[in-house]
Amino acid sequence: EAGVTQSPTHLIKTRGQQATLRCSPISGHTSVYWYQQALGLGLQFLLWYDEGEERNRGNFPPRFSGRQFPNYSSELNVNALELEDSALYLCASSLGTGRVGYTFGSGTRLTVV
Amino acid sequence: EDQVTQSPEALRLQEGESSSLNCSYTVSGLRGLFWYRQDPGKGPEFLFTLYSAGEEKEKERLKATLTKKESFLHITAPKPEDSATYLCAPRGGGSNYKLTFGKGTLLTVNP
Repeated sequence: EAGVTQSPTHLIKTRGQQATLRCSPISGHTSVYWYQQALGLGLQFLLWYDEGEERNRGNFPPRFSGRQFPNYSSELNVNALELEDSALYLCASSLGTGRVGYTFGSGTRLTVV
Repeated sequence: EDQVTQSPEALRLQEGESSSLNCSYTVSGLRGLFWYRQDPGKGPEFLFTLYSAGEEKEKERLKATLTKKESFLHITAPKPEDSATYLCAPRGGGSNYKLTFGKGTLLTVNP
């Protein structure tokens, strides 16, 4: 069974640009979660999508946005990049109930220069 | 707001030296406490889910336990390959399924 797939693995952008990160969940999983892991910090919750709808978002500015497609894959968009946006962005998927474990992808390393 | 504190921040052990990691949490209506292992530059790898106080789960040299306010990850006779950051994440009640992560404990096991 294929796990959670994230692309690209690494991404280098210039301050002020936009970044798009992609996530394909495990087959059958309808929920997708996005987390930011900056150096020295824990995983910070960004967004939760389920059945194509945004269900919850963390304490991040509106320039962090995303969507979930009919096939349950998801993309995270970060506009007007700032240096402090440099981090590992992790995507996780689960069945809609969330009672079982959340499976994470390997992440996208975003570097803003 | 849900809060999670993990201690110690870093732990260095000799191979075979057992110890415990602590996760203290404050969430309303706990709906599961998750433990993950994370290797450098990789995504967290699921270890355990605990649902109620008194519950215990084991996997190889790891055993996780849960009380109403804390969870412990006991490591028995660790090996160098157990070196990683261990993360705990409680999930609160209601329909909000997000996990709130602690900052983790960086475990180093020396041969």
